[in-house]
Amino acid sequence: NAGVTQTPKFQVLKTGQSMTLQCAQDMNHNSMYWYRQDPGMGLRLIYYSASEGTTDKGEVPNGYNVSRLNKREFSLRLESAAPSQTSVYFCASSEGPYQPQHFGDGTRLSIL
Amino acid sequence: DQQVKQNSPSLSVQEGRISILNCDYTNSMFDYFLWYKKYPAEGPTFLISISSIKDKNEDGRFTVFLNKSAKHLSLHIVPSQPGDSAVYFCAAPNSGGSNYKLTFGKGTLLTVNP
Repeated sequence: NAGVTQTPKFQVLKTGQSMTLQCAQDMNHNSMYWYRQDPGMGLRLIYYSASEGTTDKGEVPNGYNVSRLNKREFSLRLESAAPSQTSVYFCASSEGPYQPQHFGDGTRLSIL
Repeated sequence: DQQVKQNSPSLSVQEGRISILNCDYTNSMFDYFLWYKKYPAEGPTFLISISSIKDKNEDGRFTVFLNKSAKHLSLHIVPSQPGDSAVYFCAAPNSGGSNYKLTFGKGTLLTVNP
């Protein structure tokens, strides 16, 4: 019963470094999402993929890129990390719109 | 501009009593609402939802009420249990015209005391 798996769980980067956060789901869901959560804030949508082959911007897309590699996998890339991107990142998946989203346990990312 | 607002950052109740968590929204296009629960170091977990065609939805100890005229919804937990201690988020799709985009409130930390 893995659900949504995110790797890594923790990461520390230096400003300007790049990295890719990985996400995979085993529920055969069509839609996948990337969120960030900052202290005292709700979750904010970075990018989403409504279905395999499509990606769209969310509320806070600047500084990020995504790839929907196949139906199972949706990755988030930081090309040149900045301290403002220090956050907890959550990946989620759902069957479609108006369906509950299932979340991974998050990646805690610190950028120095 | 916060379209989904949870104005109480925290709430503390005694075990066995009722917990009431509130959520207000500003976007009249919202027609479906969800509640999520989040424990520390875990991802949010879906709890219960309600469509705007209803004013109440019940699932065991959890009931969500929707007042469309007031743009207000509330989550009732009866009876509250210590294991209910978590952060609760309300959320709504149809942000910016896309039903895929969920807008979350900032959350309310519920503490249930034994």
